Amino acid sequence: SQQGEEDPQALSIQEGENATMNCSYKTSINNLQWYRQNSGRGLVHLILIRSNEREKHSGRLRVTLDTSKKSSSLLITASRAADTASYFCATAAAGGADGLTFGKGTHLIIQP
Amino acid sequence: EAGVVQSPRYKIIEKKQPVAFWCNPISGHNTLYWYLQNLGQGPELLIRYENEEAVDDSQLPKDRFSAERLKGVDSTLKIQPAELGDSAVYLCASALSTDTQYFGPGTRLTVL
Repeated sequence: SQQGEEDPQALSIQEGENATMNCSYKTSINNLQWYRQNSGRGLVHLILIRSNEREKHSGRLRVTLDTSKKSSSLLITASRAADTASYFCATAAAGGADGLTFGKGTHLIIQP
Repeated sequence: EAGVVQSPRYKIIEKKQPVAFWCNPISGHNTLYWYLQNLGQGPELLIRYENEEAVDDSQLPKDRFSAERLKGVDSTLKIQPAELGDSAVYLCASALSTDTQYFGPGTRLTVL
């Protein structure tokens, strides 16, 4: 079963604009991670934010986490055509060492 | 550093036939995961290994799926017999801890 729900399911923006994707989850977490998947390829880890963190940056990526609302957002600034991909949030359950629970993903299209 | 290697990349078989997937994790990663990804969905965990021990196989359909990780390095995932509904991408990931997982390119299985 999938815990996370990304929103929107699909997003199309112009190159240079910012893209924001949201993720909601249901249970307590140890950390939340964002992954990117290009068509027909494996997943690439983008960023990890722990449950005691509220915001994290990595290059053009900014992730926020609100554990009270059980939600996270991923912001990609100054988007590029190469950012076209599916983006998944994944949660690691609190108190366990289980595998990640993924959402269904947001398909991002950057129009040149 | 070499990434997670999976083979084959693509496999087409007829239903009721057996099939096997192979994964070589990143050197030194003691944790290995197998995920299943259906089209348009996020990956779903099938089994997790800590070294050679399967510590979470609750999502593995044990009537037809089996996995092994001999010597705590390479792993194989087998389906026997395959059904039409098994068509999906099978992803392998490895990790040093319960944090960042590194994914292979996956094996795309088509069952006819």
